[in-house]
Amino acid sequence: AQSVTQLDSHVSVSEGTPVLLRCNYSSSYSPSLFWYVQHPNKGLQLLLKYTSAATLVKGINGFEAEFKKSETSFHLTKPSAHMSDAAEYFCVVRRNSGYALNFGKGTSLLVTP
Amino acid sequence: NAGVTQTPKFQVLKTGQSMTLQCAQDMNHNSMYWYRQDPGMGLRLIYYSASEGTTDKGEVPNGYNVSRLNKREFSLRLESAAPSQTSVYFCASSELTGPNYGYTFGSGTRLTVV
Repeated sequence: AQSVTQLDSHVSVSEGTPVLLRCNYSSSYSPSLFWYVQHPNKGLQLLLKYTSAATLVKGINGFEAEFKKSETSFHLTKPSAHMSDAAEYFCVVRRNSGYALNFGKGTSLLVTP
Repeated sequence: NAGVTQTPKFQVLKTGQSMTLQCAQDMNHNSMYWYRQDPGMGLRLIYYSASEGTTDKGEVPNGYNVSRLNKREFSLRLESAAPSQTSVYFCASSELTGPNYGYTFGSGTRLTVV
């Protein structure tokens, strides 16, 4: 079965410092992986997706993620945090049965001045 | 704008009442999904419809039923609401092939059962 584990439930960074949100996946096949962001009381916004093309995926708002098969990881990074990055982030893997998405439990990112 | 439309946006029910959450997409997607979001749990799949005329259970189907009315519409029904069904519900649809591969989510329905 396809699943993801987000290793941190909360991450706190200072504005202007790097962001690292960690995600490990479990999949029998080459997975399709996504990162979504949800700002307070808002819907879900796609940050980026990996579908077996380039292993370094660039997304919106300066975010990127690297697919590492040997480590079964898909960590999300950003060189310099902005106050507007404060939100809940979800790592997601596509199921092979029915093609629905399996979500991680989320990482809450706090950005301090 | 093209996308996934959910109605209503907010709803308060009394325990035992029934209601239907509506979802419609105008992107000609084959597959549609219903999720619920609870604090600390991420989003969990309730039901999905891989194509028109088919529906299947997800992780947490108990207490819910669905109808894929046509290619555009996928509704979620609570027959007898319980406080445990207080949640935010998201509908989604997907394009699974080609350059537009991806998933589109509705803006959510916030349901409170008292």
